[in-house]
Amino acid sequence: DAGVIQSPRHEVTEMGQEVTLRCKPISGHDYLFWYRQTMMRGLELLIYFNNNVPIDDSGMPEDRFSAKMPNASFSTLKIQPSEPRDSAVYFCASSLLPYGYTFGSGTRLTVV
Amino acid sequence: ELKVEQNPLFLSMQEGKNYTIYCDYSTTSDRLYWYRQDPGKSLESLFVLLSNGAVKQEGRLMASLDTKARLSTLHITAAVHDLSATYFCAVDGTNAGKSTFGDGTTLTVKP
Repeated sequence: DAGVIQSPRHEVTEMGQEVTLRCKPISGHDYLFWYRQTMMRGLELLIYFNNNVPIDDSGMPEDRFSAKMPNASFSTLKIQPSEPRDSAVYFCASSLLPYGYTFGSGTRLTVV
Repeated sequence: ELKVEQNPLFLSMQEGKNYTIYCDYSTTSDRLYWYRQDPGKSLESLFVLLSNGAVKQEGRLMASLDTKARLSTLHITAAVHDLSATYFCAVDGTNAGKSTFGDGTTLTVKP
């Protein structure tokens, strides 16, 4: 298996633009997580899905953030409109209980 | 709410020395994980501990779990520079499938 695949690896965008991050989980994993990591706030859970259904989105910072999982092999995290404070590394992870998470390589987002 | 605390948060040690990182958590759980993150990289799984008394070892790292004390340790033996990284523990709570992460311990091994 190729692991959890995220795209793009790097994204630079201007404030106000829409940003879409993509994730392909490991086949057979039934949980998918979106995290954000910054120096100031560390690792933050944004939202997670079980069998494509959102379970907890309480970590989504505000309405500008949305996430979808239309099928078992694909998820998106969208920010619209983007702001400089959204600059961070965004990780997608998938898991199959009880074996822990497999993280993707991350998307480094810079909003200027 | 499950809380996971790691200590120390920062650790600078010399090559060849031994040290232990502690991870304690606030509610009952028998599933705990250790991850490693190199600077600028993603997190990778190190150990999966699924029962009281579980012990896993890989190279110079050994992890153990005491569910009664709600404590896990990550022991480093004869540290080498390649072990420099941030180590996270994570604990599964009552929300199935969701792990709560500690803040991470940044380890720097100096020659």
